[in-house]
Amino acid sequence: EADIYQTPRYLVIGTGKKITLECSQTMGHDKMYWYQQDPGMELHLIHYSYGVNSTEKGDLSSESTVSRIRTEHFPLTLESARPSHTSQYLCASSRWTEAFFGQGTRLTVV
Amino acid sequence: GNSVTQMEGPVTLSEEAFLTINCTYTATGYPSLFWYVQYPGEGLQLLLKATKADDKGSNKGFEATYRKETTSFHLEKGSVQVSDSAVYFCALSESTGANSKLTFGKGITLSVRP
Repeated sequence: EADIYQTPRYLVIGTGKKITLECSQTMGHDKMYWYQQDPGMELHLIHYSYGVNSTEKGDLSSESTVSRIRTEHFPLTLESARPSHTSQYLCASSRWTEAFFGQGTRLTVV
Repeated sequence: GNSVTQMEGPVTLSEEAFLTINCTYTATGYPSLFWYVQYPGEGLQLLLKATKADDKGSNKGFEATYRKETTSFHLEKGSVQVSDSAVYFCALSESTGANSKLTFGKGITLSVRP
């Protein structure tokens, strides 16, 4: 059973609000990732981290930012939410090649 | 760069039908290959994996064989069930280096009718 948790599961928020999506794992994995999933179900890597104080932008440009101050925690922040940010966000972690995923946060910006 | 190509979907089958989902890949090194499954409203779960050529991954009646000569990792199941309805992703990760990343295919939705 994978021990990676995302909160909240669902979030509906107004335009212009600041939001933080939480992701935590208890497996001690160094590598963590954020994916954005579009309605067609395709996954797009938006951020990743190889360890504490390491963050990199992924293949899809995103207005969100991430931080990695602790190994177990990899939050994603949107300073000013817009309707175009409406999507499913998936967090994952890995030690070597196999990744474990959280259940996702479905964000709706109205 | 690395890439994964999955067959176009969606796929709709009747219960107990045979399933094949095609996956081919391009990689510069010697990748590990994966199939992930996403049930409605959930995150992705690892279904099976293979780490070297000719390895066969299997789980829950699903199988896939790592074919280096055809750069393929097709997913098969002999008799699908309604509970197999989900989105299936093929993925690869370079086996070497601490900084490896997963590369996913676009995913394919499988619907199984009773």
